[in-house]
Amino acid sequence: EAGVAQSPRYKIIEKRQSVAFWCNPISGHATLYWYQQILGQGPKLLIQFQNNGVVDDSQLPKDRFSAERLKGVDSTLKIQPAKLEDSAVYLCASSDDRVGEKLFFGSGTQLSVL
Amino acid sequence: AQSVSQHNHHVILSEAASLELGCNYSYGGTVNLFWYVQYPGQHLQLLLKYFSGDPLVKGIKGFEAEFIKSKFSFNLRKPSVQWSDTAEYFCAVKSGGGADGLTFGKGTHLIIQP
Repeated sequence: EAGVAQSPRYKIIEKRQSVAFWCNPISGHATLYWYQQILGQGPKLLIQFQNNGVVDDSQLPKDRFSAERLKGVDSTLKIQPAKLEDSAVYLCASSDDRVGEKLFFGSGTQLSVL
Repeated sequence: AQSVSQHNHHVILSEAASLELGCNYSYGGTVNLFWYVQYPGQHLQLLLKYFSGDPLVKGIKGFEAEFIKSKFSFNLRKPSVQWSDTAEYFCAVKSGGGADGLTFGKGTHLIIQP
């Protein structure tokens, strides 16, 4: 089966610019997650969707980050404006169950903010 | 809030050596525990998981982990490692039965020398 698709693979921007990442989960997976992985650390959950509704966005810096999952399929994560500390790999994952027994991860988008 | 501690950030072993990677979590309630692995150039994938039942769980590629509730631990083991086990290993926890996302440890970079 096709995996979780993410684009772009790499992105370099200057601070204060805006950027958007796209994720297409595995077909039929109702749960979608966005994680941020800073170099040397484990992934940190930013937001979790169940279909097109938000389950958890408690760790999303809402003053600059936003995410949506229109129609309950693909999702976009946006940062506006970007800061230096946003440099990280942004991972999208999906699951076919609500309790997250098994997450399928995409390859991620590596963001560098200069 | 949940947290996960992985004691070893970098481990170097020779082929055929035995492996044990430590993982401790802090969460007072029922937990679901996971080990994810990221091979060089690949995306994160599930290695094994514990939800309930036998505290000794077996995963792919000969890995196993033991849940010791009294020690809040979920250590990963493999009796004889191979060069292909070189990867980044992440321990993760979530509240049992809950729909919340995973909390990951910082990861252990394992290098197997041929």
